[in-house]
Amino acid sequence: AQTVTQSQPEMSVQEAETVTLSCTYDTSESDYYLFWYKQPPSRQMILVIRQEAYKQQNATENRFSVNFQKAAKSFSLKISDSQLGDAAMYFCAYQAYDKVIFGPGTSLSVIP
Amino acid sequence: GAGVSQSPSNKVTEKGKDVELRCDPISGHTALYWYRQRLGQGLEFLIYFQGNSAPDKSGLPSDRFSAERTGESVSTLTIQRTQQEDSAVYLCASSLGNSFTGELFFGEGSRLTVL
Repeated sequence: AQTVTQSQPEMSVQEAETVTLSCTYDTSESDYYLFWYKQPPSRQMILVIRQEAYKQQNATENRFSVNFQKAAKSFSLKISDSQLGDAAMYFCAYQAYDKVIFGPGTSLSVIP
Repeated sequence: GAGVSQSPSNKVTEKGKDVELRCDPISGHTALYWYRQRLGQGLEFLIYFQGNSAPDKSGLPSDRFSAERTGESVSTLTIQRTQQEDSAVYLCASSLGNSFTGELFFGEGSRLTVL
């Protein structure tokens, strides 16, 4: 069965600094998608960034980028120039053919 | 509607009562998911509907939980004989449902409190 692990329950970062959130996953599939979702305190989940496993190039969305290491089954999220609005729960997620599986989440605090 | 709509947003019930939670997905989205999120925790997969295929019920925690979906529209999650451990936010999400499309659009959730 596929599993998603986030080993950092909580992280903090100074405003304007860079932080990296870790995620590892287990799968026997070769084609799949990986995602980072953000859940602010208002609780509605939104997609931050997506990576297709067959693409070697790491995805980037403005201040958000990923480091995808397929062989290591690692998918970390880097947030550059952190802003107060980045404070939220961040969930790593995996999808192969059907259901999307989420990791346990990392709570990110941004210190002014 | 423009987004995924869930109702009620909050529900307080007594132990042993049945509850129904409703999800109205984005029009045209063939895939629909239910997740449970306990306070301060991650998303626990409950059930997944994809078009007219048989739903994936592998995440339902007990036979007190059931869900239905009419075609590619509204879904209801029913919890019978509620227990205190059922207290959680129940999140619904929908997606276009094509393989490898992936992005889920979430509702704001239904917060269930069982007294």
